[in-house]
Amino acid sequence: GAVVSQHPSWVICKSGTSVKIECRSLDFQATTMFWYRQFPKQSLMLMATSNEGSKATYEQGVEKDKFLINHASLTLSTLTVTSAHPEDSSFYICSAKGQGDYGYTFGSGTRLTVV
Amino acid sequence: GESVGLHLPTLSVQEGDNSIINCAYSNSASDYFIWYKQESGKGPQFIIDIRSNMDKRQGQRVTVLLNKTVKHLSLQIAATQPGDSAVYFCAENIAGSARQLTFGSGTQLTVLP
Repeated sequence: GAVVSQHPSWVICKSGTSVKIECRSLDFQATTMFWYRQFPKQSLMLMATSNEGSKATYEQGVEKDKFLINHASLTLSTLTVTSAHPEDSSFYICSAKGQGDYGYTFGSGTRLTVV
Repeated sequence: GESVGLHLPTLSVQEGDNSIINCAYSNSASDYFIWYKQESGKGPQFIIDIRSNMDKRQGQRVTVLLNKTVKHLSLQIAATQPGDSAVYFCAENIAGSARQLTFGSGTQLTVLP
């Protein structure tokens, strides 16, 4: 089956620093990738949608300059949290979708803690 | 805005009993629905999906029912096991959109021994 690898699984960083999270589709070409954020005991909230080679489309309220998304290839998308603050601490999850099907494959998530 | 919601935030069942988790959606343009299971600290795991041209779909120990008239979705788990304890989310996809999923608020299922 389709597999999405997300790294790191957890990261602790200091306020003001930047953190990069990688999302890779291992056995299929992901034409579209989605980035979600999930706070404790809450649902997944879509942050942005990215298509390979195009700029990401951000959801309302998500700062594009703070959450930089790069989808340079059909197998890799990255999310960089810039100038992280404690309120950015959350569980970040990516999802990848191949072309022409309904399948969505999720990564295992990244627990970000900003101290 | 329109969203997917759940009737019950928590559900406790005895091991071996059947579980029913409900979900209400409000967007009549949604044409694809998925149930996910999420264990603590992990990403969502696909359970079963259904398209809007169907009203029932069965998998191994799971059944999804779709009632488009009242915009209701349910997940039935037969012979619930301890390993089924998790948070369950329904998600919808709107036809003609960029195919992103909208998630419901989730139900915590606890299986009692």
